[in-house]
Amino acid sequence: SQQGEEDPQALSIQEGENATMNCSYKTSINNLQWYRQNSGRGLVHLILIRSNEREKHSGRLRVTLDTSKKSSSLLITASRAADTASYFCATAAGSNDYKLSFGAGTTVTVRA
Amino acid sequence: EAQVTQNPRYLITVTGKKLTVTCSQNMNHEYMSWYRQDPGLGLRQIYYSMNVEATDKGDVPEGYKVSRKEKRNFPLILESPSPNQTSLYFCASSTGGLTLHFGNGTRLTVT
Repeated sequence: SQQGEEDPQALSIQEGENATMNCSYKTSINNLQWYRQNSGRGLVHLILIRSNEREKHSGRLRVTLDTSKKSSSLLITASRAADTASYFCATAAGSNDYKLSFGAGTTVTVRA
Repeated sequence: EAQVTQNPRYLITVTGKKLTVTCSQNMNHEYMSWYRQDPGLGLRQIYYSMNVEATDKGDVPEGYKVSRKEKRNFPLILESPSPNQTSLYFCASSTGGLTLHFGNGTRLTVT
């Protein structure tokens, strides 16, 4: 069963704008990860946030985690055409970090 | 170069003909995992392995087998493929299940 679900399913923005997507999950987690996938290729790890962290930054990426609402958000600032991709959140339910569950993803299109 | 290598990239086969998709990693990772990706369903975990000779079922293990005889290799075996196993398959590896490194995928079509 899917633990994480991303919202929206798709997002289209102009180059230079910010893109925000959300992930909701069902059960308690130790950590949450975000991945990017370019057009049917393998996923690339972007960022990991642990359950005791509220916010994390990596370059133009900002991730927040609200464990009380069981949700996370990924913000991409000053988007570029190269950010066009699908973005997935991944969580492991309970204490088993090995059994990862991915959502269906948010497809982001950045228009030039 | 650190990488996860899957072969083949594309495979078309017929129902019932046994096939193996290979996966190899050169990063000395203990953890390896297989996923299938279908439109609208995201990635679903098939099997994972925490180390040599240690494998466990993911969310959708039916119709698949795996083995982990060496640390670097984690083949996915379909003993009797069926059309509902047509999908895009990914192998991934990591230390401890976090920060996965993915292969480039195997697109399987079963007719």
